[in-house]
Amino acid sequence: DGGITQSPKYLFRKEGQNVTLSCEQNLNHDAMYWYRQDPGQGLRLIYYSQIVNDFQKGDIAEGYSVSREKKESFPLTVTSAQKNPTAFYLCASSMWGRNQPQHFGDGTRLSIL
Amino acid sequence: AQTVTQSQPEMSVQEAETVTLSCTYDTSESDYYLFWYKQPPSRQMILVIRQEAYKQQNATENRFSVNFQKAAKSFSLKISDSQLGDAAMYFCAYVDYGGATNKLIFGTGTLLAVQP
Repeated sequence: DGGITQSPKYLFRKEGQNVTLSCEQNLNHDAMYWYRQDPGQGLRLIYYSQIVNDFQKGDIAEGYSVSREKKESFPLTVTSAQKNPTAFYLCASSMWGRNQPQHFGDGTRLSIL
Repeated sequence: AQTVTQSQPEMSVQEAETVTLSCTYDTSESDYYLFWYKQPPSRQMILVIRQEAYKQQNATENRFSVNFQKAAKSFSLKISDSQLGDAAMYFCAYVDYGGATNKLIFGTGTLLAVQP
């Protein structure tokens, strides 16, 4: 079945540690996105990528980094510079175009130890 | 800047009844897309329905329909014959295509409870 796979489902980070969240899609979508979800708020865009080897900052990119070496994969690294990383992280993908809906993975819950 | 507002943090409906969730947005664009997403307790975001601003006709998907009022910048979701499985957080979203971002701007969500 086609879809988006995020792993792990739960992740814990120690102080000063970088952690990487995985996102893989087999929908042959061009574009991929990372969103952060906090309680009482909607989703906010962290990074997005239209094509391989290219990505752009979203609204809250500070403390995060990404790579897009393969069309299917768009990992997100939460660095130690992100002082408040506890949140639910959602990865999405779509064909490029404003009428194309974004399809989401099941998310990763990141907490600080 | 484009914004999306959902003024109802929580709503409740009886099973088999109809409920309407409100959404307003602000934009200077004339052509755009609007979406409703559902997020059940499993936390996955599921597309419910989408509407193109240039289309006069309101979108419908089975029991889900929208009331799109472009002049008022209003995009409400109507759920008919509510089912227990409809209980979820519902997010209204606007596609910001400015600068070729194609990013979704979300409202803060409405938590819908369905009473048996």
